[in-house]
Amino acid sequence: TQLLEQSPQFLSIQEGENLTVYCNSSSVFSSLQWYRQEPGEGPVLLVTVVTGGEVKKLKRLTFQFGDARKDSSLHITAAQPGDTGLYLCAGARGATNKLIFGTGTLLAVQP
Amino acid sequence: EPEVTQTPSHQVTQMGQEVILRCVPISNHLYFYWYRQILGQKVEFLVSFYNNEISEKSEIFDDQFSVERPDGSNFTLKIRSTKLEDSAMYFCASKWTSNEKLFFGSGTQLSVL
Repeated sequence: TQLLEQSPQFLSIQEGENLTVYCNSSSVFSSLQWYRQEPGEGPVLLVTVVTGGEVKKLKRLTFQFGDARKDSSLHITAAQPGDTGLYLCAGARGATNKLIFGTGTLLAVQP
Repeated sequence: EPEVTQTPSHQVTQMGQEVILRCVPISNHLYFYWYRQILGQKVEFLVSFYNNEISEKSEIFDDQFSVERPDGSNFTLKIRSTKLEDSAMYFCASKWTSNEKLFFGSGTQLSVL
């Protein structure tokens, strides 16, 4: 069974703080994606990283794919209440690139 | 932006009953998926569908589950005899090619009583 472990599971911080979420696996993935999920909604793609060592930035969010393509991190700078949500990493595998989702990190940013 | 549409948003059923969850993927997409998320747990892959057949399925997708694309626009998930443990949010997703962005629907919350 391919597992993607995310840490931390829960994170409550004050507005303006920085944070990092980690996504780790013993498996290699062809790509790794980060999603954000709001309550009652489906996951929405934030970014896809494909190359080992790749770094992508999306405004205050920085995503990095590990050199061995087994792990990834999401760093948020100066978090805002609007960043509150469930962050999911997902690795793509197989002929149809099905997604194996991580365990999720629930982020709460207090104003 | 185009979106994947799922109906109903909520479905309550009695244990042992059949349910059909409906999805309308984005019109030019070729790859279709069902995922589910039990409350408090991670999103789990159920099945992928391409070229009018199942291309991959998980251990969860047993004989009680089936998928169909009856008319070229709808993509359905049928559970023949629901069990309590089938209660979950079921997400449909679609994409144009294997490597493209995956679009998720808003989900159907299935409650089996």
